[in-house]
Amino acid sequence: QKEVEQDPGPLSVPEGAIVSLNCTYSNSAFQYFMWYRQYSRKGPELLMYTYSSGNKEDGRFTAQVDKSSKYISLFIRDSQPSDSATYLCAGGYTGGFKTIFGAGTRLFVKA
Amino acid sequence: DTAVSQTPKYLVTQMGNDKSIKCEQNLGHDTMYWYKQDSKKFLKIMFSYNNKELIINETVPNRFSPKSPDKAHLNLHINSLELGDSAVYFCASSAMDSNYEQYFGPGTRLTVT
Repeated sequence: QKEVEQDPGPLSVPEGAIVSLNCTYSNSAFQYFMWYRQYSRKGPELLMYTYSSGNKEDGRFTAQVDKSSKYISLFIRDSQPSDSATYLCAGGYTGGFKTIFGAGTRLFVKA
Repeated sequence: DTAVSQTPKYLVTQMGNDKSIKCEQNLGHDTMYWYKQDSKKFLKIMFSYNNKELIINETVPNRFSPKSPDKAHLNLHINSLELGDSAVYFCASSAMDSNYEQYFGPGTRLTVT
């Protein structure tokens, strides 16, 4: 079993839709949970991170972590064609020097 | 100014050859990483270096040898290249106490024929 599981999609939505991206993880030692966005032929860039359980909001993006169910979510409100990318969830822990990524979900937002 | 740069961007070579990929970061970070991303986009850590010292080696074949001449540079040398080594290799860096916030380079697309 992979430490971080993510449905690779693709997920296709119309512009303006609310997008929900999800991951599950198995490593109870994870303290940090991250979402990276990767455009085609580019390196991943950090979108958001959360520490432990809870929600974090940044503009149109909300990250949610439920440690009791080992579930990580990213919500995108009012999705735009420029949001079309691969979204990678990840987990890590302080002093671990190691981040474990999910397989990434490919998102297409149609104008 | 590019924060994390890699050279070359593309590398096409034959099986059995030896090749190197270079990485440099100008962010003042202490920790650097090498990742391999396969054709299914799965991003897997290969090595972590902290202050030029190898911290993580994720059961990578010893044909892969990272070298960190200083904190700003982490190079990857690959001996006896195999078809299965074809992938995109990403370098990344982070501050030592913020390994959740990594900055990635643009990637090196390696094709072994």
